[in-house]
Order: sequence, then C-alpha cells, then structure tokens
Amino acid sequence: GQNIDQPTEMTATEGAIVQINCTYQTSGFNGLFWYQQHAGEAPTFLSYNVLDGLEEKGRFSSFLSRSKGYSYLLLKELQMKDSASYLCAASNTGGFKTIFGAGTRLFVKA
Amino acid sequence: DSGVTQTPKHLITATGQRVTLRCSPRSGDLSVYWYQQSLDQGLQFLIQYYNGEERAKGNILERFSAQQFPDLHSELNLSSLELGDSALYFCASSVAGGQAFFGQGTRLTVV
Repeated sequence: GQNIDQPTEMTATEGAIVQINCTYQTSGFNGLFWYQQHAGEAPTFLSYNVLDGLEEKGRFSSFLSRSKGYSYLLLKELQMKDSASYLCAASNTGGFKTIFGAGTRLFVKA
Repeated sequence: DSGVTQTPKHLITATGQRVTLRCSPRSGDLSVYWYQQSLDQGLQFLIQYYNGEERAKGNILERFSAQQFPDLHSELNLSSLELGDSALYFCASSVAGGQAFFGQGTRLTVV
C-alpha cells in the first residue's frame, strides 16, 4: 500500500529548533517533498530530497533515508511566522503521482 | 504565482445544488490533482488525472466527479451538495510525479 505518517501537531518556542518527522511507504518511490501551508493558503514548496542525506537551505534542512522510508524537516531559529502546517509528500514517478501526508501543524510560541 | 489557476476563488451555494470548479494547470504539466481541505484539517486527496486519464482515486464521494480535457484543464463537479462539503478545494499540477504546484484554491461554502 501507500502511506505517509507524520505527527498531527507540534509546539516549539521562538528561537528554538524543531524536527518534524515523516515515514512513508510507497512503491516506485522517487523522492520526498516538504511543503509549508499557512492557514487558508495554498501549500508552497520547501524542499525535495532524492538521495540519502541532509539538504540545507537557510534555516530549513531536510533529511532522507530511503532504506528506512524516513525523512525529517529541521527548522532552526524558529520565528513566529513559521507557525504553519508542514506537509510531507512522496513522489512516485512510476505511478505518475505525488502522495501527501495529512500535515503537521506547528505552533511557535513566544 | 504557481502558474496554476483555479476559478472561482469563492463560491456560496445552497444544499442540494451542483457546482463546477475549474483548474488550469501550469503550462506543460500533464498531471492534475484535486484535494479537499476542510477547516483545520489536512489535505484529503480526491482524484488525479494524467494526460486526460484518471490515474488515482482517493476518498472521493460518488456525488463528486472530475475530468481532464484535451487541453489539460480539469473540472471537479460536486452535486447534491451538503453542509459538510464546505471546504477549500485545491488543484495542483505536476509534470508527472514530480513537484506539485498548487493553485490558490476555491473556497466553497454550502448554506
């Protein structure tokens, strides 16, 4: 089957670091996306991992382990504006589809 | 601007009615996805088309249907509307299974 799991909610403090985990099961896996979605708005692309390892992009980093079916999104120096939902999505080019998790709602408190 | 256009942006209609939501994908994208997002909920995958053919089906109600036309635009038809169908409906497009680009959504309110 195809499935993506991520925590429903997380809370962190401004200035801190938070790690949002994602596990996935899908045949024909090609790569792993992370999207950010503010309430009432469209999801926007954050990162894409194809190979194992850590990809760093400013305050945000994303990690992938293909053998473990596991990824995480790391957010550093949290800001209030980072309060949003973070969606993990697995790309399956063999099936021509991208499968989204339900998202992790992150609350950043002062 | 993602390049994906959804119309209308807002729609208010009565229970029992039928509506059509429209999506124009990014130029060159063959895959179109439809998602439903109720208030404070995650994205619920409805259906996907690739180059005019249905590729995958999620939790789409029988009252809902979709199609993708030869020019690759897509329409989502919602009929016999119920209060619980009130939600944001997103369309996304991708080349195949790659990065999905989202439209701004259609906010449907059923009264």
